Amino acid sequence: KQEVTQIPAALSVPEGENLVLNCSFTDSAIYNLQWFRQDPGKGLTSLLLIQSSQREQTSGRLNASLDKSSGRSTLYIAASQPGDSATYLCAQTGGGADGLTFGKGTHLIIQP
Amino acid sequence: GAVVSQHPSRVICKSGTSVKIECRSLDFQATTMFWYRQFPKQSLMLMATSNEGSKATYEQGVEKDKFLINHASLTLSTLTVTSAHPEDSSFYICSARDPQGSSYEQYFGPGTRLTVT
Repeated sequence: KQEVTQIPAALSVPEGENLVLNCSFTDSAIYNLQWFRQDPGKGLTSLLLIQSSQREQTSGRLNASLDKSSGRSTLYIAASQPGDSATYLCAQTGGGADGLTFGKGTHLIIQP
Repeated sequence: GAVVSQHPSRVICKSGTSVKIECRSLDFQATTMFWYRQFPKQSLMLMATSNEGSKATYEQGVEKDKFLINHASLTLSTLTVTSAHPEDSSFYICSARDPQGSSYEQYFGPGTRLTVT
């Protein structure tokens, strides 16, 4: 059974700091890894998708990396802003036809 | 970009009644859709995989007779919660996979919050 673990479960930092969210997964035969953002009571916003053949993806202030050998992915947020406050979810799939296995998320608070 | 809609966004029903949730891919044809649910302060859990024209595949522990899935067309999948009980209250989210994309990315709907009283 695939498992995805996210550390830390919660994080509170002052505005402007750079931060790293961690995700580990047990399935080495990973197909895709996605990072999502979820605001309270809302659906998911896809942030970045990394295919198994890729090592990282970047979008604006966000950078996600993938290390299949160690079973880890990180989401780097540069120059954090209060609007970045949300729960960040990491999810992986073992195949294109498979559903996603989600971690429990990191609840991020950026203090103004 | 690919857009997935869900209807309704919120529904309140009485215990023992059935509720149908629709998931539509608006600008692409989805041969495969997925249904997830999220309990308060928990992460999303895959319930079932919905394949157009065939029976859905349910995850272990999900009752197929309680959660009926119909993927009758390439743009519509429905989830019917039958004989709903308060413990079925949850946030239900669907996703659709665009087969034209090379990454097999899943696009998520906005979710449906079900409250069973």
